Amino acid sequence: EIVLTQSPGTLSLSPGERATLSCRASQTVSSNYFAWYQQKPGQAPRLLIYGVSSRATGIPDRFSGSGSGTDFTLTISRLEPEDFAVYYCQQYDNSPRNFGQGTKLEIK
Amino acid sequence: EVQLVQSGAEVKKPGESLNISCKGSGYSFSSYWIGWVRQMPGKGLEWMGIIYAGGSDTRYSPSFQGQVTISADKSINTAYLHWSSLRASDTAMYFCARHLGGSYKGAFDLWGQGTMVTVSS
Repeated sequence: EIVLTQSPGTLSLSPGERATLSCRASQTVSSNYFAWYQQKPGQAPRLLIYGVSSRATGIPDRFSGSGSGTDFTLTISRLEPEDFAVYYCQQYDNSPRNFGQGTKLEIK
Repeated sequence: EVQLVQSGAEVKKPGESLNISCKGSGYSFSSYWIGWVRQMPGKGLEWMGIIYAGGSDTRYSPSFQGQVTISADKSINTAYLHWSSLRASDTAMYFCARHLGGSYKGAFDLWGQGTMVTVSS
C-alpha cells in the first residue's frame, strides 16, 4: 500500500503570492498515475491535475503539477481569493488508490 | 449535462442496512469505472473502491473490504454502495466519482454531490 504524506499541513499566504504544496509517496508511483484535487467547504472535490502535470478541463494555467517517482508538487503561481481551500494528492497506480491527508491553504 | 447525482441524506440506526446510489447521465455510463470515497466529519478523503459500470469487476480497499458492497446496474446507469449492518463509525459523507477517460487507472474527473450518512441510536 502506498502512503502519501502532504506538507505542510497548513499554508498561510496572501492573494498574489506563490503557493508550493508537496506530496511524498512511500513507494515509487509509476507511469505518472498521480493527481491533485481541490476541495472547498461543503463541496465535492474537484480534479485539478492528472498524470502529474496535465491540467483538467477548465483549470486555469496558474495551477501546475510536477514531480516523479516519490516526490510531487502542486504550484499555484499567483493566488486568487478563490484558491483558498484544501488540496489533496492521490496516486492511482496501485490499489488502494490512496489520497494524502490534505493541505489547507488559508488566507494570511 | 454530464453529471453524477447521488441519493439524499440518510439517518439510520446501528445494525440497519442501507443502499445509497449514484446515477450518471450525459455520458456512456457503462464505459467508465466508478469509485466511492468516504469523508468522515472534518477529515480527509478515503478511497473505498471502484467498479466497472459495464460489468461486475470490482476492487476494494483492504480497509473497506467486507464492510461494504459496491455494485452497479448499467440498465439504469446507477452505481450503489451497500451496508448490511451499519455502525456509528460509518457516519460520513460519501462521494461517488468517475474515472477520467474510462480508464482502469484513472483520476476522478467527475464527482457526485455527496450523500451524508448519519448512524446514531
